[in-house]
Amino acid sequence: QKEVEQDPGPLSVPEGAIVSLNCTYSNSAFQYFMWYRQYSRKGPELLMYTYSSGNKEDGRFTAQVDKSSKYISLFIRDSQPSDSATYLCAMTRGTGRRALTFGSGTRLQVQP
Amino acid sequence: DGGITQSPKYLFRKEGQNVTLSCEQNLNHDAMYWYRQDPGQGLRLIYYSQIVNDFQKGDIAEGYSVSREKKESFPLTVTSAQKNPTAFYLCASCSPVGGEKLFFGSGTQLSVL
Repeated sequence: QKEVEQDPGPLSVPEGAIVSLNCTYSNSAFQYFMWYRQYSRKGPELLMYTYSSGNKEDGRFTAQVDKSSKYISLFIRDSQPSDSATYLCAMTRGTGRRALTFGSGTRLQVQP
Repeated sequence: DGGITQSPKYLFRKEGQNVTLSCEQNLNHDAMYWYRQDPGQGLRLIYYSQIVNDFQKGDIAEGYSVSREKKESFPLTVTSAQKNPTAFYLCASCSPVGGEKLFFGSGTQLSVL
C-alpha cells in the first residue's frame, strides 16, 4: 500500500464548476501538506501549503486538512480551462528536510 | 530572475552510455533534490543534498549518481546500470527558512535510443 493515495482521474468538469480533489495518507506523522499544479511536461508549481489540520483559502483555491481522518482536499471554485493540469498532493513530517512524499496526481480537464 | 534551471530539456541515451542532467539554482537554497516521474506514478526521490559536499540516497538511487561541489549546482548522472532510464526528471530546491516547500525546475525528458 502506498503512503499517499490519490485518484489519477482524469476528472472532466464544465467551466465554472466547483472541483474537489482529494488524497488519503497512512503516516500519522505527516504535518506539512501541499498541493502542486503541473502542466504537461513542466515542473510542478506550489499552489497551497498547510501546516497541520484546518483550512486555507487563496483566491479560488481552498485547501483542507483533516488529520484525524488522514484526508486532505483541494477545492477549486469557478474552474477555468486554464486550470486543466495534473494536481499533485505532497506531504512530509517536517524533520530533517528529507523531502516530500507525493501522491500520483489527478489529471483535471475543464471543458469550455 | 531567481529560479532553477534544468538542461537539456530533452536528452537521448544510447545503450551502455552514461548521461548527465544539469541542475542550477540561484535561489541560495541549501537543499536540492532529484525526482523521477513516470506516467501514473507521481514523483519518486532519487537523491538529495542538504549541504555542499554531502548527499544521500533516496528511494530509487540504484543506477544514478550525483555530486554537490557547489551550492548552486546538483548534477545527476544516469549510468548504464540504470536499465529503465526513460522518464521525466525533475530537480528541486528548498529554502532553509521556507519550511518544507519545494521549488521545481522545468524538467528533463530522458529517452533511450
